[in-house]
Amino acid sequence: EIVMTQSPGTLSVSPGERATLSCRASQSINSNLAWYQQKPGQAPRLLIYGASTRATGIPVRFSGSGSGTDFTLTISSLQSGDFAVYYCQQYNNRPYTFGQGAKLEIK
Amino acid sequence: EVQLVESGGGLAQPGVSLRLSCAASGFDFSLSDMHWVRQYEGKRLEWVATIGSGDDTYYPDSVKGRFTMSRENAKNSLSLQMNSLRVEDTAVYYCVREGTNWAFENWGQGTTVIVSS
Repeated sequence: EIVMTQSPGTLSVSPGERATLSCRASQSINSNLAWYQQKPGQAPRLLIYGASTRATGIPVRFSGSGSGTDFTLTISSLQSGDFAVYYCQQYNNRPYTFGQGAKLEIK
Repeated sequence: EVQLVESGGGLAQPGVSLRLSCAASGFDFSLSDMHWVRQYEGKRLEWVATIGSGDDTYYPDSVKGRFTMSRENAKNSLSLQMNSLRVEDTAVYYCVREGTNWAFENWGQGTTVIVSS
């Protein structure tokens, strides 16, 4: 099973600033990585797939990068609606696995 | 618009069975791979089951032999038959559509399963 590890667990950032979240896979997953955003009381929402491609309707301030084992989600110029929990997920191999989540909170 | 609506959650005692359903609309259901994903109270997400457009199914070891996923294309519906429930199966269960990009593109609102004596 591929273990996905996210860091940091919690990130405090001020609105308007940039946030960078990391995700590491225990073995290579090529670019088969997705990022999801989850707000309280809601289901996760797909943000990024293929490590770097924004899903339909996702603003350009969300960007993803990386391949192999190390990946990054960057949110430039944070808006109030961006404060949420973010998960990475690998779909290179079954069992599909998720990171433990990273909470982005307002500083 | 893609819609996924889960139902069937509730309170169950350990060892009993429960059947979850998912009603899908807004896309070509018969051509889509579908999944169930659960989320524990501590917010961890776990993939639970997959069914392909060809009815092939896959499960993680944690539910293999206890859970069975099926689909009925004529009714645009999914089911998850959960047998021999355990306390650790307590979670919110989401029905998920896989996109052409292989990621988990669309999620339902979830249905809560609580296994407790």
